[in-house]
Amino acid sequence: DTGVSQDPRHKITKRGQNVTFRCDPISEHNRLYWYRQTLGQGPEFLTYFQNEAQLEKSRLLSDRFSAERPKGSFSTLEIQRTEQGDSAMYLCASSLDRGPSPLHFGNGTRLTVT
Amino acid sequence: AQTVTQSQPEMSVQEAETVTLSCTYDTSENNYYLFWYKQPPSRQMILVIRQEAYKQQNATENRFSVNFQKAAKSFSLKISDSQLGDTAMYFCALLTQEYALNFGKGTSLLVTP
Repeated sequence: DTGVSQDPRHKITKRGQNVTFRCDPISEHNRLYWYRQTLGQGPEFLTYFQNEAQLEKSRLLSDRFSAERPKGSFSTLEIQRTEQGDSAMYLCASSLDRGPSPLHFGNGTRLTVT
Repeated sequence: AQTVTQSQPEMSVQEAETVTLSCTYDTSENNYYLFWYKQPPSRQMILVIRQEAYKQQNATENRFSVNFQKAAKSFSLKISDSQLGDTAMYFCALLTQEYALNFGKGTSLLVTP
């Protein structure tokens, strides 16, 4: 068990560019979550997968955002046409598919849009 | 809708003393879980303690304990014998049958020598 892994740790991009982040959950965890956290705030829920199915999406997830988990293992979060307001820490978490289980978080990807 | 409120943006405590962080929540569900997460400056979110709503006994994990008042929808965290390594942001979180964790805005705790 190597924990939840996120790549890259940091990403600096220019406004209007597309970016993609990757998350590798704990291997036996069927559930995968994406959260966004801005400075001084708690994490805000973006989306949730159970295996490969995306079961829930927050209204925060505009049509510029897309998340996939094609084989029910790793997940990607893509942001198209980035805006300065997208600058944040993007956190991935995973949990067991067994009732309300605690979420285990990765180190996050810090996105800076210039 | 589920909401979590942490009314103390910042707190400070001296090493070896006890501190209590407050949290209130709102949910219409009867079966839910409450968590306290710690986020040190390194930024990884770490689970501190969890409480199942159906359990009346307050959860305890070493120096960390909670005071769970279900009727009042209150879930405070007590840290005993505070250590410098406890300095971090602390987030209260609510997990319902929807399985999406809702976080409060956090309390920044500073432990001073």
